[in-house]
Amino acid sequence: QVQLVQSGAEVKKPGASVKVSCKASGYTFNSYAIHWVRQAPGQRLEWMGWINTGNGNTKYSEKFQGRVTITRDTSASTAHMEVVSLRSEDTAVYYCARDVAIGMFEYWGQGTLVTVSS
Amino acid sequence: QSALTQPPSVSGSPGQSVTISCTGTSSDVGRYVSWFQQPPGAAPKLMIYEVSIRPSGVPDRFSGSKSANTASLTISGLQAEDEADYYCSSYTGSSTYVFGPGTKVTVL
Repeated sequence: QVQLVQSGAEVKKPGASVKVSCKASGYTFNSYAIHWVRQAPGQRLEWMGWINTGNGNTKYSEKFQGRVTITRDTSASTAHMEVVSLRSEDTAVYYCARDVAIGMFEYWGQGTLVTVSS
Repeated sequence: QSALTQPPSVSGSPGQSVTISCTGTSSDVGRYVSWFQQPPGAAPKLMIYEVSIRPSGVPDRFSGSKSANTASLTISGLQAEDEADYYCSSYTGSSTYVFGPGTKVTVL
């Protein structure tokens, strides 16, 4: 069965960086894109960007362009999402999701809580 | 940046129907509108994609539609387990996506 398993919770200081991983299993990793979505406490879902796991091409929301980098390691069937220059507003649960077609985010990771606090 | 609007909350009694709207510009609300259900503390679950298609396993009580710049999710025969936050999302056409602000569904 398809599974996306994310790395554990992180606590970071303002200005630091964080890298969250998303390990896929149960399907051919490089056949489907991986998206990253975050949710600050009590707030809406926020789409951050996605990676074509086949060729490595990426696309980011304007809001996160330049501060977020999505990569993949096909040998490990894992996608990564790094946020730099963290600020308190980046405190959120970060999710990875696999699409099957446009807008069809059918499989989600369990979420990774990133807390930014001094 | 594109913006979608949803009502903050809707409610209904068990067995009733509720409808959640998702409104944007004509370019924001096109063919690729999806709906997600998110119970408290859980990851989102895909309920509808491409405006009206239900993934396998989603009860047929959930249906989607679109008219002009407004997409809608209807839950018929409301059940207690349907209580959750519901988000619409749309593909913007430049390989990016946007989510609506979410609607809390309360079963009275």
